[in-house]
Amino acid sequence: EDQVTQSPEALRLQEGESSSLNCSYTVSGLRGLFWYRQDPGKGPEFLFTLYSAGEEKEKERLKATLTKKESFLHITAPKPEDSATYLCAVRASGYQKVTFGTGTKLQVIP
Amino acid sequence: GAVVSQHPSWVICKSGTSVKIECRSLDFQATTMFWYRQFPKQSLMLMATSNEGSKATYEQGVEKDKFLINHASLTLSTLTVTSAHPEDSSFYICSARYLAANEQFFGPGTRLTVL
Repeated sequence: EDQVTQSPEALRLQEGESSSLNCSYTVSGLRGLFWYRQDPGKGPEFLFTLYSAGEEKEKERLKATLTKKESFLHITAPKPEDSATYLCAVRASGYQKVTFGTGTKLQVIP
Repeated sequence: GAVVSQHPSWVICKSGTSVKIECRSLDFQATTMFWYRQFPKQSLMLMATSNEGSKATYEQGVEKDKFLINHASLTLSTLTVTSAHPEDSSFYICSARYLAANEQFFGPGTRLTVL
């Protein structure tokens, strides 16, 4: 059974204080690993798809990396508007659905 | 691109009534759509997966007769909560994926409150 574990559950940062969120996964044949951002009361917003170990993708202050067992979402010099819950998910080859982690709630304090 | 809408954004109904939620892909053809439920401070719980023109595949523990899902076109899926009760109150979110894509794109969600 596919599993996704995210850590920490919650993270509080000062504005400008860089950090990383972790997503550990087990999947039988990775078709894709996804990062989403979810604001309270809204649907998740797609950020990145990673396909193979060593791959990296960037968007503004966010950079996602992938190894064979985990993915990191690096946040460089975060701003208060980066505050949200960040969700990681994996899709196994041959399957329609994805498995989501429970998310990391990020709070960036001015 | 890849915009998904949901209607209504919130609904309040009386116990015993049925409620229909619409999910539309606005700028792409959604060959597969998903319906999720999310409780406060919890992650997404997949309810069902539907392919256009086919019956939905429900996750274990989800009542098919209570949560009716229809995916009759490549841009529209509906979720009908039949004979709703207070325990059905939740945040319902749909997502859509086009053919050959890996990513799902989510709608804004519908807050259902059953009195």
